[in-house]
Amino acid sequence: AQSVTQLGSHVSVSEGALVLLRCNYSSSVPPYLFWYVQYPNQGLQLLLKYTSAATLVKGINGFEAEFKKSETSFHLTKPSAHMSDAAEYFCAVDYNQGGKLIFGQGTELSVKP
Amino acid sequence: AAGVIQSPRHLIKEKRETATLKCYPIPRHDTVYWYQQGPGQDPQFLISFYEKMQSDKGSIPDRFSAQQFSDYHSELNMSSLELGDSALYFCASSLAKSSYEQYFGPGTRLTVT
Repeated sequence: AQSVTQLGSHVSVSEGALVLLRCNYSSSVPPYLFWYVQYPNQGLQLLLKYTSAATLVKGINGFEAEFKKSETSFHLTKPSAHMSDAAEYFCAVDYNQGGKLIFGQGTELSVKP
Repeated sequence: AAGVIQSPRHLIKEKRETATLKCYPIPRHDTVYWYQQGPGQDPQFLISFYEKMQSDKGSIPDRFSAQQFSDYHSELNMSSLELGDSALYFCASSLAKSSYEQYFGPGTRLTVT
């Protein structure tokens, strides 16, 4: 079955430290891949997307993600965490490239001062 | 820039009542999606419409129905409400030709008592 796996439901980093949020998908055919951020009681904001162009994708707020076909991964990184990055992050996959998104379980990012 | 508008933002209903959620997509977007996010869960795809026709269907209960109108706004109708229907309902819109990059509204929080 098509699924999305986010390793770690909670990740805690210190301010200024590297952020690494993991996402793996389950398909031999590269799908469309997305990362969304959700602040408490708010909607989902698109951070970045991969749609079969460059494998290293840059998004908003200093985030980037690298598509690795061999690892079926699309991990999200940010070189230096900021307090305002504390939120829930969702990886989402469009397996059929037709719009229906399947979301991972989400990773809650905490940033310590 | 204009965003996706959802109304109402909050809704409280009793069991067995009906509810109608409305979604107004970003201007010129031709595709609308509905997602349900239970407490502490990831969003689950319900249904989508492209050019006023249903384009995909997910885990939407038979008690729910939806449609997209000529002005592209969409409504999700929910009948015989159950306690388990309490959730955050998101609408997203996209332009089908732009790799289905979805922009989410702020959501409608439905509470069934």
